[in-house]
Amino acid sequence: GAVVSQHPSRVICKSGTSVKIECRSLDFQATTMFWYRQFPKKSLMLMATSNEGSKATYEQGVEKDKFLINHASLTLSTLTVTSAHPEDSSFYICSAIARGYSNQPQHFGDGTRLSIL
Amino acid sequence: ELKVEQNPLFLSMQEGKNYTIYCNYSTTSDRLYWYRQDPGKSLESLFVLLSNGAVKQEGRLMASLDTKARLSTLHITAAVHDLSATYFCAVEETSGSRLTFGEGTQLTVNP
Repeated sequence: GAVVSQHPSRVICKSGTSVKIECRSLDFQATTMFWYRQFPKKSLMLMATSNEGSKATYEQGVEKDKFLINHASLTLSTLTVTSAHPEDSSFYICSAIARGYSNQPQHFGDGTRLSIL
Repeated sequence: ELKVEQNPLFLSMQEGKNYTIYCNYSTTSDRLYWYRQDPGKSLESLFVLLSNGAVKQEGRLMASLDTKARLSTLHITAAVHDLSATYFCAVEETSGSRLTFGEGTQLTVNP
């Protein structure tokens, strides 16, 4: 089955640090990848939609300069949290849609738990 | 703006009992998904419902979609402890587009 790998699974770092999270589709090409954020005991909130080779589309209220998204290839998208602060601590999850398989569910990565001290 | 509402948000039930989780959404769509999330984990896909009247079953879980009523249900039959998790429904407005999630239903199945 389609596998989405997310790395790292957990990050603990100091305030002011920039953190990069990778999302890879291991056995399929992903035309579109999504980045979600989830606070404890809350639902998933879409942050941005990433299409290969073009700029990401951010949801209202998401700071583009703080959450940098790059989708340089059909198998990799990255989310960089720049100058992270404690309020950025959250569970970040990516998902991907397989090219040519739009009737399949989005395939989710295992998530990255980000803790900013 | 698409809104997706689930109820109940919290459900505590005894093993062996039946119950239904409801998912209402606010706009026309015939693409709805159910996911399971265990604590500290990501999402596991349960069901994909792509047309009005679609019904899918897997083990003790059965999902259905009524696009006219803009309602999906997740029915639990003879619950067991292993079903304890948070269940999310998510609606996709068009094929390949963003998902809008419900608030989630935290299910606890007690022995």
